[in-house]
Amino acid sequence: AQSVTQLDSQVPVFEEAPVELRCNYSSSVSVYLFWYVQYPNQGLQLLLKYLSGSTLVKGINGFEAEFNKSQTSFHLRKPSVHISDTAEYFCAVILDRGSTLGRLYFGRGTQLTVWP
Amino acid sequence: EAQVTQNPRYLITVTGKKLTVTCSQNMNHEYMSWYRQDPGLGLRQIYYSMNVEVTDKGDVPEGYKVSRKEKRNFPLILESPSPNQTSLYFCASSFGDNYGYTFGSGTRLTVV
Repeated sequence: AQSVTQLDSQVPVFEEAPVELRCNYSSSVSVYLFWYVQYPNQGLQLLLKYLSGSTLVKGINGFEAEFNKSQTSFHLRKPSVHISDTAEYFCAVILDRGSTLGRLYFGRGTQLTVWP
Repeated sequence: EAQVTQNPRYLITVTGKKLTVTCSQNMNHEYMSWYRQDPGLGLRQIYYSMNVEVTDKGDVPEGYKVSRKEKRNFPLILESPSPNQTSLYFCASSFGDNYGYTFGSGTRLTVV
């Protein structure tokens, strides 16, 4: 069973438009949640993470994400995208923090393409 | 500079010829992990290690071996590579689960 579901494999958007990349996870226990970005021919870079506390998490490059426990979602948003945001974005989750140390599950990725 | 270094970046090999992909980190991280990335499948964990001499299987360990004899190094060994192991491989390290992982630049492996 897929632990992390990224609902869109590709998201095209025009420059300066807002964007939301959707992520749902399957777990009824406590989780850690992450978003990573992968630029072409590079490794993954951490955008932001949710561990506990405030459900709205701010990350680098103007991105933010909101943890919704009831909907088991962690959607990534940016109010105004740039051409340079074109990349693949991965949602990742540790499903049961404390008892599954080191087990980081990734979604299948969402390719964000920003058009001029 | 804090980083995870993988070598080689690109490798083409033949079926059955043993190979090792090296991974080294200079951040004194305890956790290290190997992933493979395939189109449409995202990243899948091969093996992970929470400390020296402590390793465990991830989701796709078949055909791979690892060792963690030193804290900084975590090599990935393919004893008898097969074409279905053609993939992009990433090594990553972390202080712990709540810190997030730092990734290497990747190793693109082709097995013919």
